[in-house]
Amino acid sequence: GQSLEQPSEVTAVEGAIVQINCTYQTSGFYGLSWYQQHDGGAPTFLSYNALDGLEETGRFSSFLSRSDSYGYLLLQELQMKDSASYFCAVGQAGTALIFGKGTTLSVSS
Amino acid sequence: ETGVTQSPTHLIKTRGQQVTLRCSSQSGHNTVSWYQQALGQGPQFIFQYYREEENGRGNFPPRFSGLQFPNYSSELNVNALELDDSALYLCASSLGGGQNEKLFFGSGTQLSVL
Repeated sequence: GQSLEQPSEVTAVEGAIVQINCTYQTSGFYGLSWYQQHDGGAPTFLSYNALDGLEETGRFSSFLSRSDSYGYLLLQELQMKDSASYFCAVGQAGTALIFGKGTTLSVSS
Repeated sequence: ETGVTQSPTHLIKTRGQQVTLRCSSQSGHNTVSWYQQALGQGPQFIFQYYREEENGRGNFPPRFSGLQFPNYSSELNVNALELDDSALYLCASSLGGGQNEKLFFGSGTQLSVL
């Protein structure tokens, strides 16, 4: 089977930096993805790591360590609009993404 | 906007009934995945269709079934509805049948079973 663990809630203030961690156990691992979902909305793709290291996309960065079965999403210069749920998801051979339970990020002024 | 459309947006059914949810994938995408998302939880993988064939299934009973059509649109059918089937049902399309790291989600169908 497969499992993903991420914190259920994270709080931060505008302008701060926050890191959301994700550990996973799975077979046939292809890569780690991150998605953002605002209340009542569709999940939207943020980033993907297939290889170890850091991927940067604007204010968001994602990191993967395959040997540690660990990754994180780093959000910089937080804005109120970043308040949302963030999901890590693992890709496996022959099937669709498997999602974690999500981390609710609350950004305050 | 991802170009993935789902219908209907909201649906109310009673226990024991059957429901069909529909999804039009993004242009050029040949793979559709269906997810169930309960309140406060992550999306749970139901199944995936690639070029009209089921290409993977999660831990859902056989009363959850699906179809993909030649134009790559898709349907999710749920028979003998149970109260626990109340959830947001998300459809996602993607380019490939194997590695699908980038999914494009529709806004979902909110199903309430009374």
